Amino acid sequence: GEDVEQSLFLSVREGDSSVINCTYTDSSSTYLYWYKQEPGAGLQLLTYIFSNMDMKQDQRLTVLLNKKDKHLSLRIADTQTGDSAIYFCAENTGFQKLVFGTGTRLLVSP
Amino acid sequence: SQTIHQWPATLVQPVGSPLSLECTVEGTSNPNLYWYRQAAGRGLQLLFYSVGIGQISSEVPQNLSASRPQDRQFILSSKKLLLSDSGFYLCAWTPQGQTQYFGPGTRLLVL
Repeated sequence: GEDVEQSLFLSVREGDSSVINCTYTDSSSTYLYWYKQEPGAGLQLLTYIFSNMDMKQDQRLTVLLNKKDKHLSLRIADTQTGDSAIYFCAENTGFQKLVFGTGTRLLVSP
Repeated sequence: SQTIHQWPATLVQPVGSPLSLECTVEGTSNPNLYWYRQAAGRGLQLLFYSVGIGQISSEVPQNLSASRPQDRQFILSSKKLLLSDSGFYLCAWTPQGQTQYFGPGTRLLVL
């Protein structure tokens, strides 16, 4: 089947904005998620967006959803070194399961 | 509040030995439970999920099995480990679909 696709790597400087992109597979997905994974740890839910929304903002995080193109993005404003991690997008395709992207490793340099 | 536990945190096992990883959830009832594997530098692979006691769905054929002997307990097992079973194993729960919450993970190294 199709994969949820993300670019593998993103490098930014501290204080810049980061934009992590995701292309998902199922246009009928009801919820789309962003998770953060720090080294050696489990996944932490960052935010999610319902499919009838175009945008959701939560402090430094902005999620944009383009249903026509099945494109999801996560913007982190004023990126800090503590934001360095792997970021996963995921879609809820029903059937009690989530489908995860391949993950984007964000490296924030001082 | 709900919490999810996994143990052990780290495990080193020889090839051919058995495996038992445990996941428990507190503060909720009748959750959906999931086992994922994450190989080094890779994404998440769903291994098993369970919507109730004794109900296990397997996503990929493999050397592993899962069981749910109690409502909030999910166990991942193997009778004989392979080198390719090495990885980071994550348990997750959800209150009947939608958002999943993850445990801290178990790092397994098979030598």
